[in-house]
Amino acid sequence: GIQVEQSPPDLILQEGANSTLRCNFSDSVNNLQWFHQNPWGQLINLFYIPSGTKQNGRLSATTVATERYSLLYISSSQTTDSGVYFCAVERSGPDRGSTLGRLYFGRGTQLTVWP
Amino acid sequence: SQTIHQWPATLVQPVGSPLSLECTVEGTSNPNLYWYRQAAGRGLQLLFYSVGIGQISSEVPQNLSASRPQDRQFILSSKKLLLSDSGFYLCAWSAILFVTGDTYGYTFGSGTRLTVV
Repeated sequence: GIQVEQSPPDLILQEGANSTLRCNFSDSVNNLQWFHQNPWGQLINLFYIPSGTKQNGRLSATTVATERYSLLYISSSQTTDSGVYFCAVERSGPDRGSTLGRLYFGRGTQLTVWP
Repeated sequence: SQTIHQWPATLVQPVGSPLSLECTVEGTSNPNLYWYRQAAGRGLQLLFYSVGIGQISSEVPQNLSASRPQDRQFILSSKKLLLSDSGFYLCAWSAILFVTGDTYGYTFGSGTRLTVV
């Protein structure tokens, strides 16, 4: 399978600070998604971003597919941003049919934002 | 709009008892369906995925099985639970764009927290 590494594993911030989360992957992908898991366990899809840059409010993401990494930016962090952020990818390539729709997850970044 | 329902939210079961977790999707047809498990330590492990009725692929050998009796229904089962089956189980769905083959709409249910005692 494809390897997905996220860094840092843990991040502690004070409210208002900015942060950057990184996701490295080991193979070509045609699907990359960022998820936020809240303290109650619900996984929310933040971005579908196989390449390029997207922004949604205080969050933005950039994927450089040729260099096999993606970044998630959180600006002016709030306590409600706390939780685990996951990066997940779907492999591309001629043998993709056997793994169609299968996402490979990183181990996540645990973000804690203090008031 | 599409919604995904998963129940129960929490479950405490004795070792050796059977298990049945259910997941249903509304608002779409022929979705890809997935069961993930999240043990302590955060990682999500794909257990099963299904591209159609009766079509189940298993990612890892284990004490669990999955079935898809209807297009939008996915069931995770066990005949005899083990302590190591404890964890947070998440169901998810996605669709495949016919023209491009790209995956979209990857959405998770609210999860079932299973404790085997």
